[in-house]
Amino acid sequence: QQNVQQSPESLIVPEGARTSLNCTFSDSASQYFWWYRQHSGKAPKALMSIFSNGEKEEGRFTIHLNKASLHFSLHIRDSQPSDSALYLCAGNYGGSGNKLIFGTGTLLSVKP
Amino acid sequence: NAGVIQTPRHKVTGKGQEATLWCEPISGHSAVFWYRQTIVQGLEFLTYFRNQAPIDDSGMPKERFSAQMPNQSHSTLKIQSTQPQDSAVYLCASSLVGGAETLYFGSGTRLTVL
Repeated sequence: QQNVQQSPESLIVPEGARTSLNCTFSDSASQYFWWYRQHSGKAPKALMSIFSNGEKEEGRFTIHLNKASLHFSLHIRDSQPSDSALYLCAGNYGGSGNKLIFGTGTLLSVKP
Repeated sequence: NAGVIQTPRHKVTGKGQEATLWCEPISGHSAVFWYRQTIVQGLEFLTYFRNQAPIDDSGMPKERFSAQMPNQSHSTLKIQSTQPQDSAVYLCASSLVGGAETLYFGSGTRLTVL
């Protein structure tokens, strides 16, 4: 079964900073990778996904996937207080159904 | 579109009692997933249905947990003889067809077992 490790567990950054969140997978079989964001007391919501090695940018958010090193990262440029949330990375695990396996998350706090 | 609807939002049970959690997926979505979220374990996969058929229940504690999807508009997760360690937020999610599609989560049911 896929095991997903996230680092750091928590992070406090000042407004305007560049933030980097990391994720490492135990299984190279995953084909697609996601970042979800969960604000306090709310449902997790999909942020970005990537299906092949490389980078993808959407606004202030960039994700980077390196399948060879099983490493997946999220970078936030010009962090805002509204970015404060739990960030969850996930990869699919095939088996019989292609479910998403999530990491335990990184709790980000952006201070004004 | 109301999104994924979960009821109740909060449920408190005594040790040994039964708890039934309800989920209404987004209309037109054929895949329904159940997850459990705790501080220590994070977001854990429990079970998955596609077109109402059970596909993968590898995350379900076998003895006391069961899930059903009797029709395309709702799924239930039943926990028999609840234990304090079952206390968690139970999240239901749906997607168009499963696989690589975006998961849309409900707001969850917070279960507290006293």
